[in-house]
Amino acid sequence: RKEVEQDPGPFNVPEGATVAFNCTYSNSASQSFFWYRQDCRKEPKLLMSVYSSGNEDGRFTAQLNRASQYISLLIRDSKLSDSATYLCVVNSGGTASKLTFGTGTRLQVTL
Amino acid sequence: NAGVMQNPRHLVRRRGQEARLRCSPMKGHSHVYWYRQLPEEGLKFMVYLQKENIIDESGMPKERFSAEFPKEGPSILRIQQVVRGDSAAYFCASSPSRQGGLEAFFGQGTRLTVV
Repeated sequence: RKEVEQDPGPFNVPEGATVAFNCTYSNSASQSFFWYRQDCRKEPKLLMSVYSSGNEDGRFTAQLNRASQYISLLIRDSKLSDSATYLCVVNSGGTASKLTFGTGTRLQVTL
Repeated sequence: NAGVMQNPRHLVRRRGQEARLRCSPMKGHSHVYWYRQLPEEGLKFMVYLQKENIIDESGMPKERFSAEFPKEGPSILRIQQVVRGDSAAYFCASSPSRQGGLEAFFGQGTRLTVV
């Protein structure tokens, strides 16, 4: 079983749509959680951290369910510029902290 | 405040040659991480270094790959006797301390092509 699992997509949605991505992680000791965005052939960039209480940043809402080991990202009012791959990222904890990446969910927003 | 700098951006090597990838972390960051992204795959952790120390190299292939982060200068990822399967994007990230609750900042990557 992969440490971080995501639906690879692609999700094809029209502009203005609401789209949700899900992610599950296997390591119950994971300490922190992030969504990163990666554009084609570019480096990953932090989109937002994910907190147990849920957090919102403009059109983006992230949720964490530690009991189910489940993370979600909701994008409202999709823009063409939101087209990218969204990476679910987990800090796997332990004495040598490192980030574990999901393989990403590809989003294509169309006119 | 420059971000994480990686060079070269693109590197072409023939099979059997050596590849050296460099990474200068963000100013004030003393923790460096190397990740590899194979075509159509996710980023895979390779190695975590602090100045002059390798903290975690659990993701490094056992042969041909090595990494260092000297007291002075950039972190270097070295691949000896490259093979076609080494072709990938290699990303370096840095953070100010152990990643605990902190995000890492990535460089633009080095795209290695082995011909």
